[in-house]
Amino acid sequence: KAGVTQTPRYLIKTRGQQVTLSCSPISGHRSVSWYQQTPGQGLQFLFEYFSETQRNKGNFPGRFSGRQFSNSRSEMNVSTLELGDSALYLCASSLAVRTAAEQYFGPGTRLTVT
Amino acid sequence: AQTVTQSQPEMSVQEAETVTLSCTYDTSESNYYLFWYKQPPSRQMILVIRQEAYKQQNATENRFSVNFQKAAKSFSLKISDSQLGDTAMYFCAFMGYGGSQGNLIFGKGTKLSVKP
Repeated sequence: KAGVTQTPRYLIKTRGQQVTLSCSPISGHRSVSWYQQTPGQGLQFLFEYFSETQRNKGNFPGRFSGRQFSNSRSEMNVSTLELGDSALYLCASSLAVRTAAEQYFGPGTRLTVT
Repeated sequence: AQTVTQSQPEMSVQEAETVTLSCTYDTSESNYYLFWYKQPPSRQMILVIRQEAYKQQNATENRFSVNFQKAAKSFSLKISDSQLGDTAMYFCAFMGYGGSQGNLIFGKGTKLSVKP
């Protein structure tokens, strides 16, 4: 079974631009979560989607948004990029049953904002 | 709000020896899940071990075991017979029972180096 895939793997953008990152979960997984990883703040939860609905959201400004499609693929968008948005963005998928299902992480997208 | 603290930013161990990574957490919830994740230099995060708070028995997975002390809110990871492939960042994580299972709260991590 293929793992979680994220595209692109690396991205360089300029301040003020917007960016869209993509995540394809493991086949059969309906929940997708996004995390931001930086050296200073560590790993922080962005949001989670299940069956095309955002179920939970972390403490990030409205510039960060996401969506999930009917095939469970998810995208996250960051508008008006700031230097501080430079980070590794990780996506994780899970079966999302009632108990805490294991989250399978993708390799991440390394975003650099200049 | 829940918090997870890993007090050891870096640790090293000789191959074949045993090492223990510390983690404490703070929560007012009585039911929750705790995890240890490993992130090797290649960056793909993988689950090492999971503990459900209502279970008294400490979880074990081959060479990996935990010491879960619910009253002390402590959740340490013991790696026995350390191998070079264990070199990685290790993150302790918390997930509440009642909320969305998508929301993992991570500690800052411990960088473990296994030396030959």
